[in-house]
Amino acid sequence: SQQGEEDPQALSIQEGENATMNCSYKTSINNLQWYRQNSGRGLVHLILIRSNEREKHSGRLRVTLDTSKKSSSLLITASRAADTASYFCATDARSGGGADGLTFGKGTHLIIQP
Amino acid sequence: EAQVTQNPRYLITVTGKKLTVTCSQNMNHEYMSWYRQDPGLGLRQIYYSMNVEVTDKGDVPEGYKVSRKEKRNFPLILESPSPNQTSLYFCASSFLAGELFFGEGSRLTVL
Repeated sequence: SQQGEEDPQALSIQEGENATMNCSYKTSINNLQWYRQNSGRGLVHLILIRSNEREKHSGRLRVTLDTSKKSSSLLITASRAADTASYFCATDARSGGGADGLTFGKGTHLIIQP
Repeated sequence: EAQVTQNPRYLITVTGKKLTVTCSQNMNHEYMSWYRQDPGLGLRQIYYSMNVEVTDKGDVPEGYKVSRKEKRNFPLILESPSPNQTSLYFCASSFLAGELFFGEGSRLTVL
């Protein structure tokens, strides 16, 4: 079933500000992944955080994972107009024998105002 | 170049006319999956495959079939398409527990 649930559904901020998106999920996972999608294109992988990790960085991206609360957050610092896109979290229970494959939430639509 | 290739990219068809959307990857990935994306509903998993000859239902499998006879190919078959299957379809692949690589999408309209 669809595991991840992103919050907020939509977010509009000024260029240069930080953007924070949250993801909550329901069952045990092996890892959690964040993806970005530009306007009807294929999704592009941003970052993967394993269940035994608490924080991970990649460039202007910072991801946290709290398995006790079953939640994750994606922070984009110093946002740019080009960051305008939809962002999805995906919960991965595959290698642990999970029956659901890799499932996505409904996404957060981020708009960066120039 | 590592890629996931879907065909066709755009298709308009009529109710009941069988169609197949092909998906091929050149990265030797074990895992392949089909998703449909509809406004307000995010990506919903249709079927996935952990390896050759192994397929499992996702969240919305009704009206779809898949097969995984070879590692690189994972076609999506609509035996009798209906208008509620009008959607944007994505194929994706990965190593087990790895990041997904997505195709560019196939926009299907069923009249």
